Amino acid sequence: EVHLVESGGGLVQPGGSLKLSCSASGFTFGRYAMHWVRQAPGKGLEYVSAISSNGESTFYAESVKGRFTISRDNSKNTLYLQVSSLSVDDAAMYYCVRHMGHDIWSYPPPSVDFWGQGTLVTVSS
Amino acid sequence: DIQVTQSPSSLSASVGDRVTITCRASHGISRWLAWYQQKPGKAPKSLIYAASTLQSGVPSRFSGSGSGTDFTLTISSLQPEDFATYYCQQYNDYPRTFGQGTKLEIK
Repeated sequence: EVHLVESGGGLVQPGGSLKLSCSASGFTFGRYAMHWVRQAPGKGLEYVSAISSNGESTFYAESVKGRFTISRDNSKNTLYLQVSSLSVDDAAMYYCVRHMGHDIWSYPPPSVDFWGQGTLVTVSS
Repeated sequence: DIQVTQSPSSLSASVGDRVTITCRASHGISRWLAWYQQKPGKAPKSLIYAASTLQSGVPSRFSGSGSGTDFTLTISSLQPEDFATYYCQQYNDYPRTFGQGTKLEIK
């Protein structure tokens, strides 16, 4: 059974940083690209970032480009999101999501299937 | 970025009703649209991809249709567990933008 478990969220001051993790199990992690999606409290879903199965290709939404870094360690079955220069607009639940393929740029484009339960980032002074 | 407009933003219906939610993309996206269900305090759950293909384990009362710019999610006979918020997402291009969501409530 596929499991994605996020961790690393917490309370951080504006301008601060955190490293979010997503631990994967139940599938061969190194064969799948992954995504991060976030949701501010009471709001809709917002696309954040993607990484290919081998870590060589990445994508960032404009709202986080230059501040967030997506990475992965396939030997540890873990996806990461380093979030920096945080503002109140970054406060959200952060979800990791499995891509239905290995390449984020393939066409026809694969969708996603499994979501983690999320980790909450709170930004406040 | 491709904008995705979802409607209605909220909907009241009764158990057994047939309901339809629509999404419109600002540019043609072929059939690269997915639908998700989210219950309060829970992560989203993938329902449909490629506009009309059900994810494994999703009940057949859910169906999707459309291509190009206009898409629909239909629930043929609402069950109590279907009351939730539904989101569409285009994945033809990055960023993979979401609709604003439709909150489906019990009448």
